[in-house]
Amino acid sequence: EVQLLESGGGLVQPGGSLRLSCAASGFTFSSYAMSWVRQAPGKGLEWVSAISGSGGSTYYADSVKGRFTISRDNSKNTLYLQMNSLRAEDTAVYYCAKSCSSTSCYTGENWFDPWGQGTLVTVSS
Amino acid sequence: AIRMTQSPSSLSASTGDRVTITCRASQGISSYLAWYQQKPGKAPKLLIYAASTLQSGVPSRFSGSGSGTDFTLTISCLQSEDFATYYCQQYYSTWTFGQGTKVEIK
Repeated sequence: EVQLLESGGGLVQPGGSLRLSCAASGFTFSSYAMSWVRQAPGKGLEWVSAISGSGGSTYYADSVKGRFTISRDNSKNTLYLQMNSLRAEDTAVYYCAKSCSSTSCYTGENWFDPWGQGTLVTVSS
Repeated sequence: AIRMTQSPSSLSASTGDRVTITCRASQGISSYLAWYQQKPGKAPKLLIYAASTLQSGVPSRFSGSGSGTDFTLTISCLQSEDFATYYCQQYYSTWTFGQGTKVEIK
């Protein structure tokens, strides 16, 4: 069974930093692209960042570009999101999600399944 | 960036009703569209991908259709466990979600 478990959320002051982790199990982690998606309280879903299976390609939403860095350690089956220069509008539940495999990415099978349970990040003074 | 617009934003329905949610893309996305269901306090769950392909384990009362810019999610006979918020997502060019449609009990 595929499992994704996020951790690292918490309360941080504006301008501060936080690193989220997503521990994966139940599949060959290095073969799959992964994404982070966030949801502000009472709001909809916003894609944040994505990374290829090898880690060689990364993608960011304009709202976080230059402040957030996605990475992965395939030896530890773990995905990361380093968040710097945090703002109040970054307050959200952050989900990690499994995306396409190294072969299915080429055919555009880039939906998200499954998702982790999420970790809450609160940016406030 | 591709914008996704869902309608309605919310709807009230009764168990047994047929429910249709629409999603419009700001440009053509072929069939690169997924639908997710989210219940309060839970992570989203994939229902449909490639606009009309039902994810394994999802009840057949859910169906999707459309291509290009206009898509629909239909629940043929609403069950109590279907009261939730539904999101469309395009994956034609990076990823964008619709704003969500909350299905409430009438």
